[in-house]
Amino acid sequence: KAGVTQTPRYLIKTRGQQVTLSCSPISGHRSVSWYQQTPGQGLQFLFEYFSETQRNKGNFPGRFSGRQFSNSRSEMNVSTLELGDSALYLCASSSLGLLEETQYFGPGTRLLVL
Amino acid sequence: SQQGEEDPQALSIQEGENATMNCSYKTSINNLQWYRQNSGRGLVHLILIRSNEREKHSGRLRVTLDTSKKSSSLLITASRAADTASYFCATDARGKLVFGAGTILRVKS
Repeated sequence: KAGVTQTPRYLIKTRGQQVTLSCSPISGHRSVSWYQQTPGQGLQFLFEYFSETQRNKGNFPGRFSGRQFSNSRSEMNVSTLELGDSALYLCASSSLGLLEETQYFGPGTRLLVL
Repeated sequence: SQQGEEDPQALSIQEGENATMNCSYKTSINNLQWYRQNSGRGLVHLILIRSNEREKHSGRLRVTLDTSKKSSSLLITASRAADTASYFCATDARGKLVFGAGTILRVKS
């Protein structure tokens, strides 16, 4: 099976812009979760989608949003970018959900906000 | 604050030696997972241990879980240069997967 893919791999934006990141899970996986990784805050949970429904959300402002499509692919959107949004954004997929089993991570999208 | 905290923050050993990393957490859990990350890339799952398990093995990896002390340890035996990476524990907390700050392991050849 193909692994989790994320696009784009690298992205440079300026403050105030918005960005959309994409994640394609492993075939058959219905759960997709998103994480932000920064040197200062480490790995932080953003949200989890399961069968097109947001199941859990982390402590991030409303500028961070996501959705999941019927084919389980997921997108994450960040509006009104701030310098502090520069990070590695990781998505992970699984069959049953992030609390039930192993999460398979994608390579990440590295976002730089100037 | 993060649910899991790893100790030590960094560890440097010689190839062939064993490496032990510890993780402590705050609330009750259903399972605890260990992941490895190489140079800011995606995370690779190493092992999942459920709350009713005390020890689990996978190749050169041995994980223990002590729910009374809310702690877990990851032992890598006969380390190799390729084991150089950051290692994270992750626990479920209120519907979220929470990662610790990680241990940076450097294996010198």
